[in-house]
Amino acid sequence: KAGVTQTPRYLIKTRGQQVTLSCSPISGHRSVSWYQQTPGQGLQFLFEYFSETQRNKGNFPGRFSGRQFSNSRSEMNVSTLELGDSALYLCASSQQGGKNIQYFGAGTRLSVL
Amino acid sequence: AQSVTQPDIHITVSEGASLELRCNYSYGATPYLFWYVQSPGQGLQLLLKYFSGDTLVQGIKGFEAEFKRSQSSFNLRKPSVHWSDAAEYFCAVGAARAGGTSYGKLTFGQGTILTVHP
Repeated sequence: KAGVTQTPRYLIKTRGQQVTLSCSPISGHRSVSWYQQTPGQGLQFLFEYFSETQRNKGNFPGRFSGRQFSNSRSEMNVSTLELGDSALYLCASSQQGGKNIQYFGAGTRLSVL
Repeated sequence: AQSVTQPDIHITVSEGASLELRCNYSYGATPYLFWYVQSPGQGLQLLLKYFSGDTLVQGIKGFEAEFKRSQSSFNLRKPSVHWSDAAEYFCAVGAARAGGTSYGKLTFGQGTILTVHP
């Protein structure tokens, strides 16, 4: 079974631009969560989607948004990029109804110049 | 609110030595606890998990962890470290919901970087 796939692996953007990251969960997994990882703040929860609905949200500004499609694939979008948005963005998928064991992708490394 | 503390930012051990990485959590009820490992430039790999029952849990790569409710701890151990164990280790806590399922949010500790000397 294929793991969680995140694309692209690397991105370079400039301040003010917007970016869209993609996550394909493990087959059969219906929940997708996103995390931001930075050296200063560590791993922080962004949001969780299940059945195309945002079920849980972390403490991030409205510039960070996401969505989930009917095939459980998810995207997250960051608008009006700031230098501080440079980070590794990790996506995790899990099965609904269980103990929510989360399996992570390799991440997308975003650099904002 | 739940929180996780990993007191050791960096640990260095010799290959073949034993290892214990500390993790303390704060959560109002019985937590779901996890240890993940991350190699440079990679995502997180699940080492082991605790939901309930036996407080000593076994994971992959020879790791184990013990849940101690009285100490709010979930320390990770390995009897003999291999050079390939060098990585960053994260302890995480998840919240349980009624019905035995959990929320999709994990709260992570700051991580412990493990260096292994030959």
